[in-house]
Amino acid sequence: QSALTQPASVSGSPGQSITISCTGTSSDVGSYNLVSWYQQHPGKAPKLMIYEVSKRPSGVSNRFSGSKSGNTASLTISGLQAEDEADYYCCSYAGSSTFYVVFGGGTKLTVL
Amino acid sequence: QITLKESGPTLVKPTQTLTLTCTFSGFSLSTSGVGVGWIRQPPGKALEWLALIYWDDDKRYSPSLKSRLTITKDTSKNQVVLTMTNMDPVDTATYYCAHSPGLWFGPWGQGTLVTVSS
Repeated sequence: QSALTQPASVSGSPGQSITISCTGTSSDVGSYNLVSWYQQHPGKAPKLMIYEVSKRPSGVSNRFSGSKSGNTASLTISGLQAEDEADYYCCSYAGSSTFYVVFGGGTKLTVL
Repeated sequence: QITLKESGPTLVKPTQTLTLTCTFSGFSLSTSGVGVGWIRQPPGKALEWLALIYWDDDKRYSPSLKSRLTITKDTSKNQVVLTMTNMDPVDTATYYCAHSPGLWFGPWGQGTLVTVSS
């Protein structure tokens, strides 16, 4: 089982929109609507931002949205703010023959 | 409000067994559909899922670590315990527990850094 593929870094200016991709396979992202996204500030625990591809937990800003097409999931952040600068991780169930949960390698978002 | 907190040793020697406890509040592990997961993060590296335990005592493990992991729950104490045998320096990481109402994780505990060194 391989980790999901994310870009190492993305950047954007305040007010802009950015998208972080998360590429898996037909055994994980492509087969299940069980993609979640996590935000992690330095030295802090991860925070759930999106679950089941596009659902936002209570309290998460509607500037954060998720989607999926084929084997690739995406996290879009609109109206970038300085506080959005963090690491972002995607995650997917990868069941098929063996129960497995796989994370992406993480993406560092820099707000310019 | 759901909260979780990890506890255990900060330093273990190679070949020793690590035992970590997750103490939680704000939910019950006897409620249908609820689980608690363990995830770790080596310094400067990505997250790695380790194990999950559900309200019905269903237990799931990362295939690559299954032989070394055991997860148990004590519903009356609101605790989940993870043991990992034969610790190695590559197992040095921050270990997190997290509430899992589905196949996602949130909220998370603050994490506990475990260093494996002689």
